[in-house]
This record gives sequence, C-alpha cells and structure tokens, in this order.
Amino acid sequence: QKEVEQDPGPLSVPEGAIVSLNCTYSNSAFQYFMWYRQYSRKGPELLMYTYSSGNKEDGRFTAQVDKSSKYISLFIRDSQPSDSATYLCAMKRSETSGSRLTFGEGTQLTVNP
Amino acid sequence: GAVVSQHPSWVICKSGTSVKIECRSLDFQATTMFWYRQFPKQSLMLMATSNEGSKATYEQGVEKDKFLINHASLTLSTLTVTSAHPEDSSFYICSASGTSGSKGSTDTQYFGPGTRLTVL
Repeated sequence: QKEVEQDPGPLSVPEGAIVSLNCTYSNSAFQYFMWYRQYSRKGPELLMYTYSSGNKEDGRFTAQVDKSSKYISLFIRDSQPSDSATYLCAMKRSETSGSRLTFGEGTQLTVNP
Repeated sequence: GAVVSQHPSWVICKSGTSVKIECRSLDFQATTMFWYRQFPKQSLMLMATSNEGSKATYEQGVEKDKFLINHASLTLSTLTVTSAHPEDSSFYICSASGTSGSKGSTDTQYFGPGTRLTVL
C-alpha cells in the first residue's frame, strides 16, 4: 500500500468550475502538507503549505487538512485554462531541512475554455 | 517564494559522455538540496539528498558512482551523470530547503525548473 494515495485523473472541467483535488495518507507521522503545481516539462511550483488541521486560503486556492481522517484537499475556485497542469500533494514528517517529501502520484487537470 | 535555478535546461549528449547539471538557490541559503528524477506521466523519484559540505545520501537503487553529487556551497549543488547511456535519459529536477531565518523555509522544498537529458 502506498503511503500517499492520489487519484491520477485525468480530470477535465469547464472554465469557472470549482475543482476539488484530494489525497489520503496512511502514516500519522506526516505533519506538514504541501500542494505543488507542475506544468508540462517544468519543475513543481509550491502552491500551498499547511501544518494544522483546518483550512488555509490563498486567492482562488484553499487547502484543507483533516489529520483525524488522514485526508487533505485542494480546492480551486473559478478555475481558469491556465490552471491546467498536474497537481501533486506532498507531505513530510519533520520541519527540518533534510526531511524528505513523500508525493502523491499527481492529478492531471484540464480546464476547458 | 524562494527561487531555484537549474542549468542547463536541456542537454543532448552521446552515449558514454558525462553531463553536469547545476542547481542554484538564487535568493536564499540552501542547507539541503534534493535531486529527483521524473519519467513521463509519473511522479518525482528522489535520487539523493545532499547537505552542504557533506557527502550525499543516496536512495536505494541509485548508483552513487554513476550519479555524482557535490554540494560545495550553500547556494550550489551539482549532479554529474557519468558515462551516460540512453536509459539515463530523463527529466532531472533539484529542490532546495533553506536554513531558519533565510527566505527559504526549512518546512518546504522549492524546486528548480528541471533539466531534460537526452542520451543518444
């Protein structure tokens, strides 16, 4: 069983839709959670970083963490064609700089104009 | 956010040659740098972790004599693919995590744009 499960999609939505991306994890030692966006042939770009359970909002993006259920989500409001990319959830056990990330498989999202 | 650069962005080489890829943290000091490899439509695979001034720690199955990593300063790490073969063709991405108090947070990794290696 993978430590982090993420539906690879592909997910296709019309422009303006609300997008929900999710990851589940099995190891309760994960304490820090991130969402990265990766365009084709580019490196991942950090979108959201959360530590506590609850919601964190940044513009059109909302990250949600439920540690009791071992479930994290990323919501994208008013989705745009420029949001078309692969979204990777990632998590780590420790805040130290050497702590490795465990990634989900990534969800490929297409927003159609 | 913190900026990480990679050079070159794309390289084509002949089989048997060595290729060096540079990873730089431009506006923060990176205590730790990570090197990943990514195949098409797959997630990132961690190859090794390097701390400034120390030997890199390689993941299981990664040949340390083939993928030489040097982290000589707090802003520069290099990955050298020695005697490259076609099966080494891939997308190589570095990330950097900084020291407390610097722009790069110890909590997160900031990724470079990646280097596409094609070995003929």
